[in-house]
Amino acid sequence: GAVVSQHPSRVICKSGTSVKIECRSLDFQATTMFWYRQFPKQSLMLMATSNEGSKATYEQGVEKDKFLINHASLTLSTLTVTSAHPEDSSFYICSAEDRFSYNEQFFGPGTRLTVL
Amino acid sequence: QQQVKQSPQSLIVQKGGISIINCAYENTAFDYFPWYQQFPGKGPALLIAIRPDVSEKKEGRFTISFNKSAKQFSLHIMDSQPGDSATYFCAAVNNNAGNMLTFGGGTRLMVKP
Repeated sequence: GAVVSQHPSRVICKSGTSVKIECRSLDFQATTMFWYRQFPKQSLMLMATSNEGSKATYEQGVEKDKFLINHASLTLSTLTVTSAHPEDSSFYICSAEDRFSYNEQFFGPGTRLTVL
Repeated sequence: QQQVKQSPQSLIVQKGGISIINCAYENTAFDYFPWYQQFPGKGPALLIAIRPDVSEKKEGRFTISFNKSAKQFSLHIMDSQPGDSATYFCAAVNNNAGNMLTFGGGTRLMVKP
């Protein structure tokens, strides 16, 4: 089955530092990847849509200069949280759309970010 | 504006019972309705999905019922097991608008032994 990995699974950083999260589709090509943010006991909120080789599309209210997204290949997208602050602490989840499997999005295991 | 409303927020069911989770949507452009299961600290996993041209889809113990005119769909988990205890999210997709998932608020299901 389609597998999506995320790295790291958990990261703790100091306020003001930047953190990069990788999302990889392991056995399929993903022209589109999505980044979500999930607070405890809440639903997933879409942050941005990432298309291979083009600029990401950010949802309203998401700062594109703070959450940098790069989708350099058909199997890798990265989310960089710049100048992280405690309020950025959350569970970040990516999903990848299999270009040959209509509609299906496969989710990564998530990355728990804690900013001290 | 919450485009997909999900209820209940939490649900407790005895082992062997039927778990029922309901969702309602506003946007008639939605044309794909998946359900996801999420365990604590993990990403969501696709459970079952339906398109609006059918009224019911069954896969094992999981059944989706879909009412297009009422703009409602529901997940039924038959013979619920303690291992089914998780958070369930319904979602809706508009295939003509980028295939983005619009999630419901989630239902925390607990199946008691």
